[in-house]
Amino acid sequence: ILNVEQSPQSLHVQEGDSTNFTCSFPSSNFYALHWYRWETAKSPEALFVMTLNGDEKKKGRISATLNTKEGYSYLYIKGSQPEDSATYLCAFEMGYSTLTFGKGTMLLVSP
Amino acid sequence: EPEVTQTPSHQVTQMGQEVILRCVPISNHLYFYWYRQILGQKVEFLVSFYNNEISEKSEIFDDQFSVERPDGSNFTLKIRSTKLEDSAMYFCASRDRGGDTQYFGPGTRLTVL
Repeated sequence: ILNVEQSPQSLHVQEGDSTNFTCSFPSSNFYALHWYRWETAKSPEALFVMTLNGDEKKKGRISATLNTKEGYSYLYIKGSQPEDSATYLCAFEMGYSTLTFGKGTMLLVSP
Repeated sequence: EPEVTQTPSHQVTQMGQEVILRCVPISNHLYFYWYRQILGQKVEFLVSFYNNEISEKSEIFDDQFSVERPDGSNFTLKIRSTKLEDSAMYFCASRDRGGDTQYFGPGTRLTVL
């Protein structure tokens, strides 16, 4: 059974704060690590697909790093805004197929 | 921007009834998926579909479940005889050939009474 864990479970920050979350996953049979941003009643939005050890990707104020040897990825948000409030999901992919998700980190950014 | 759509957004049904959840994947995508999330739990894989057949399925996807691509645009998930424990948010996703990203729809919330 594949185990994908995310921490923290939830996070409440003030506008302007920078924050980061962790996703841990199996270090064997790795193909890709996906990050999604999910707002209630909307489609989960793909943020990053990371495939190479040491990968760093950036999209605006959001960035992510990947360590496949130790099995973790960090997602960073610089200068959080209220519109960043959402659940952030990571998903592990083994061999170009299905996704195994973590439980998500729920972020709330207060003005 | 192309997107995956799902209907209905919310379905309420009685235990034992059949339900069909509908999805329109992104045009020209070739790989299709169903996932579900029971409230408070992780998103779980149900089934993947490629070239008009199931390519992979999880233990959850038993004989009560079936998928179909009845025409060139729709992708459906049928639950033959719903149980209380089938209550969940059901997500459809699609992926392009050669692409790494699975694009998700907004989900259908199924409530079985």
